[in-house]
Parts: sequence; structure tokens; C-alpha cells
Amino acid sequence: GESVGLHLPTLSVQEGDNSIINCAYSNSASDYFIWYKQESGKGPQFIIDIRSNMDKRQGQRVTVLLNKTVKHLSLQIAATQPGDSAVYFCAENISGNKLVFGAGTILRVKS
Amino acid sequence: GAVVSQHPSWVICKSGTSVKIECRSLDFQATTMFWYRQFPKQSLMLMATSNEGSKATYEQGVEKDKFLINHASLTLSTLTVTSAHPEDSSFYICSARVEGTGNQPQHFGDGTRLSIL
Repeated sequence: GESVGLHLPTLSVQEGDNSIINCAYSNSASDYFIWYKQESGKGPQFIIDIRSNMDKRQGQRVTVLLNKTVKHLSLQIAATQPGDSAVYFCAENISGNKLVFGAGTILRVKS
Repeated sequence: GAVVSQHPSWVICKSGTSVKIECRSLDFQATTMFWYRQFPKQSLMLMATSNEGSKATYEQGVEKDKFLINHASLTLSTLTVTSAHPEDSSFYICSARVEGTGNQPQHFGDGTRLSIL
């Protein structure tokens, strides 16, 4: 029979295009947010973070936007490359420096 | 910097065996480390917070007698899955934070894939 499990949303983009990955978080008291990239069989790799007193932060080819009003976080990747293919997770920092992870989004880059 | 190493990366063992997984912070000290569990195509679920020199703090629903955590030094935490059974098969990942003022991200090891036959 069918296996029961979660199906991660998938974003497919053409190489060179920009990617936008979205995340809704749950706790309005969360003060710190992180985006991680996870490749198959590996642990999550830090990409970029943002504190709740900011609404935008830029890194190399990546930008994180935070909208506290609607509890929404997004990760923008410019000029997406095949090496960007992975699962992307947002995480919110709750009490005691604990992280709560979002469900994840699969990014597939087509050459 | 901020490298976290996990060992072993892959374990296959018989039901009833106890398995120890090590998590080391290689270039920094960590008074707190975290242990997560991840099932295929799912997100990371926090199991417990490992505290150097004191007892670990377990999340609701995680059996502390099943998943023993020892954080004996500022660079090493271990997770022992006792009397493992097939339902314990999973991907176990640890993380650590660089201590400092303000917010710091957790840095993750590359995980341990545990398969119980």
C-alpha cells in the first residue's frame, strides 16, 4: 500500500534564474531566524540569519526577508546554480536557544 | 571555523544492541549541544539539549532512558541509543553553538545514519 508521510514542497528553477523559498513560522515571540541548506546524507549547513529587529539581510547571492506582521520568512537566491539544489529549512529560535525547524522545501535547479 | 564532527556516520547493528554516537566541536568550545532526529523527507525534530557537566534536557515524548546523553567535556557530547530496535532506525544529527553574546547559529554535524536489523 501507499506509505504515509510528508511530501516536501518542491521548487524547480532554471539555472541562472532567481529562487524564492518561503517559510511561515509559528511563534510571534521568536527573536532570531536562520536558513539552512541540507544536501542528501549530510547535516544542515548555515546559510544566513536575521534578528527580529531587522526586516532584510543580504549575504553573498542570498537575501533573507522577515515580515513579523504575518510571521513570514523568505530566502532569495540570486542566479541559482546546480550546486544550490538541496532541501532548505528555516528555523526559529525559541526559548533556551532551541531551534524549531520548518517543514523544508526541495530546490531543484534545471540546467 | 565552527566545525562540528559526528562519528560514526553510518551504523548497522542487530536489534537489542546499544549504539553510541559522538559529537565533537572541533575548533570551539560548547557548553550546550543539541541532538536531533530526522526521518526520510521530514524535518529535524529536537530530541534533547545536552549540557556540559549536568543532565540533559529532553523534549516531550523522548525517553531519557532510551537515549542516554553524556556531555563530559566542552567539546564532546555522546548519545547512546540503548537496546536499539528497528523503530529506532533514523538519521541522528547533533549541533553546537559558538558561545558568545547575542544570537549565534547552531552548527551541525553531518549526521549518523542508524539502521537496526
